[in-house]
Parts: sequence; C-alpha cells; structure tokens
Amino acid sequence: DTEVTQTPKHLVMGMTNKKSLKCEQHMGHRAMYWYKQKAKKPPELMFVYSYEKLSINESVPSRFSPECPNSSLLNLHLHALQPEDSALYLCASSQDRDPEGALYTEAFFGQGTRLTVV
Amino acid sequence: AQSVTQLGSHVSVSEGALVLLRCNYSSSVPPYLFWYVQYPNQGLQLLLKYTSAATLVKGINGFEAEFKKSETSFHLTKPSAHMSDAAEYFCAVISNSGNTPLVFGKGTRLSVIA
Repeated sequence: DTEVTQTPKHLVMGMTNKKSLKCEQHMGHRAMYWYKQKAKKPPELMFVYSYEKLSINESVPSRFSPECPNSSLLNLHLHALQPEDSALYLCASSQDRDPEGALYTEAFFGQGTRLTVV
Repeated sequence: AQSVTQLGSHVSVSEGALVLLRCNYSSSVPPYLFWYVQYPNQGLQLLLKYTSAATLVKGINGFEAEFKKSETSFHLTKPSAHMSDAAEYFCAVISNSGNTPLVFGKGTRLSVIA
C-alpha cells in the first residue's frame, strides 16, 4: 500500500462550524505533514509530526489544531475559520530516515481536501 | 534556508516537442532535489528525486532530470510531450542534512498544444 488517503475530498463549512480533516497512511512512515495550497501557489507547510509528536508548527493560527492519534493517522481540527482559509489541504508522509541518515526524505501526498469556508 | 527557483511560471509546447522545465537551487552544498507533478484538483505525485547518487535521474512517465553542480541546476526534461503531461510541476528541495522538510518552488504550468 503506497497511498495516503484523505477524507473528505470536499468540505464546505460556515465560519462558526467545527470540522475535522482526516489522513491515513499504511506505509510505516513516521513523519506526517499538513500543507495548505492556495490556487496557483505552491504548497505551504503548516505542521509536521515526527513519531507522533509535533515537531514543526509554522506559526499557524490556533483555529487550526493538528492531532496525531497514532503512527498511521493524522487529523486537522478546524474551528472558527475565515473565508481566506479556503484552500486545498494536503496531507503527506515520509519515512523517518533514509540510509544516509537524513531526517526528512521525499514526501508522499494524498489527494487533498478542498475546503471552502462560507 | 534552502530554496529553489523555477524559471517560467508557464511553459507551452507542442505535442511531440521537447519539454524543458527549469529549476535552480540556492545552496552551496548540494541538497536533495525533487520534481513533483500536480494534475488539476489532485495531490502531488513524485516524478523523480536526486539524492547525491547518479547525476542523471530517470523518473516516471518518461521524465528525467540532470543535476549540474556547476550551474546549481536540476532541470526536468522529456523528449516528446504528450497531451497528458499538461499539469503543474513543482521543483522541491530538502537540505543535504535532511533536517528541514520539503520546500517547494513556485511551480511551472505546462501546457501541451495539439
């Protein structure tokens, strides 16, 4: 299994709603990521979990709350979002270290969740 | 911080023509370099990677890239474009210490004209 699965594929939510994005991988990867991608822009890193611990938070607003329940699952909890948060949210995973000891290696991406905040 | 620069936000080629997408990296120490492709409304798919082994790297879908230290470049090529190659292409970098996650270039949109 070489897939990263994200659910839902599409989500429309109001500014007062609470919702969650889910991501699952079964490749044995120990690093998992959330990226945000606006239209016609590259993905921007939001969070990184390494061995189920949050290792990087790129100054993301607290209305985005990540969670890593176990090594295969990654969630992104959303609360009180703004319309400008509408974007494609991408989950990715990578193996912990390559043979040369690099901590981060190439990431494998899910299909993304297209989020629209109304 | 590591970064990559993609020259040309949009490249248009005829079907059957050579595809050349340009990427230059900023580090004095050769990093790990990657090319990803993104089709409309989809995630990113890894095309190929350079991790200090062979300088000519072959990837999926007939693409290849050559690492040139003297030019700090990692350009992506394909001898003959197909209509199905139309997509957004991202060059990405990880420092050679591997201590920072992927950082993406701004992307190049490839159009293929019949």
